[in-house]
Amino acid sequence: DAGITQSPRHKVTETGTPVTLRCHQTENHRYMYWYRQDPGHGLRLIHYSYGVKDTDKGEVSDGYSVSRSKTEDFLLTLESATSSQTSVYFCAINAEGRDIGYTFGSGTRLTVV
Amino acid sequence: AQSVTQPDIHITVSEGASLELRCNYSYGATPYLFWYVQSPGQGLQLLLKYFSGDTLVQGIKGFEAEFKRSQSSFNLRKPSVHWSDAAEYFCAVGAGYALNFGKGTSLLVTP
Repeated sequence: DAGITQSPRHKVTETGTPVTLRCHQTENHRYMYWYRQDPGHGLRLIHYSYGVKDTDKGEVSDGYSVSRSKTEDFLLTLESATSSQTSVYFCAINAEGRDIGYTFGSGTRLTVV
Repeated sequence: AQSVTQPDIHITVSEGASLELRCNYSYGATPYLFWYVQSPGQGLQLLLKYFSGDTLVQGIKGFEAEFKRSQSSFNLRKPSVHWSDAAEYFCAVGAGYALNFGKGTSLLVTP
């Protein structure tokens, strides 16, 4: 969808290395989210942000950190990548909370070898 | 905690047949409920949402869903399925500032 971009689209990295995924939006939305999608698990929330420098943990936050230094960018960092973090990562944005519904990015496919 | 269950992992329907995908939620108050669709290799697209009012909600692509509080359900329906509807479908419930998603139902459409 226009207005939200994830980079990179694909990445292969080695176990133990740090990895940063970027989500960029041009919609000036307050809320931004990181989810991971795995077969049989659906989408699980990693972290979310409700404003610049305001973030909170989701269901599966261990091993991940986030930063939001400006409205348009939300970064997800895998501090030391493990094979269990091989997944498809989706960013989503939302203007004013849960009743609007999200707009999703196209995803980043991360493989940890 | 708010949660969503989609009992069917896979569903196969013939093109032109009707479709119903099941979703059950667990939530103490009136829930905010959503259905999303994901085509292969793509992100998720919002089909429809419910948070108050008429319990029968119309969405895009000819889909509708009915909220039934007594059954804690929010099932997705379509009267006549097209081959292009083959995708994965996710039900979600609002949980604070975020959404909790079900595990998804994969829809296969046969000729």
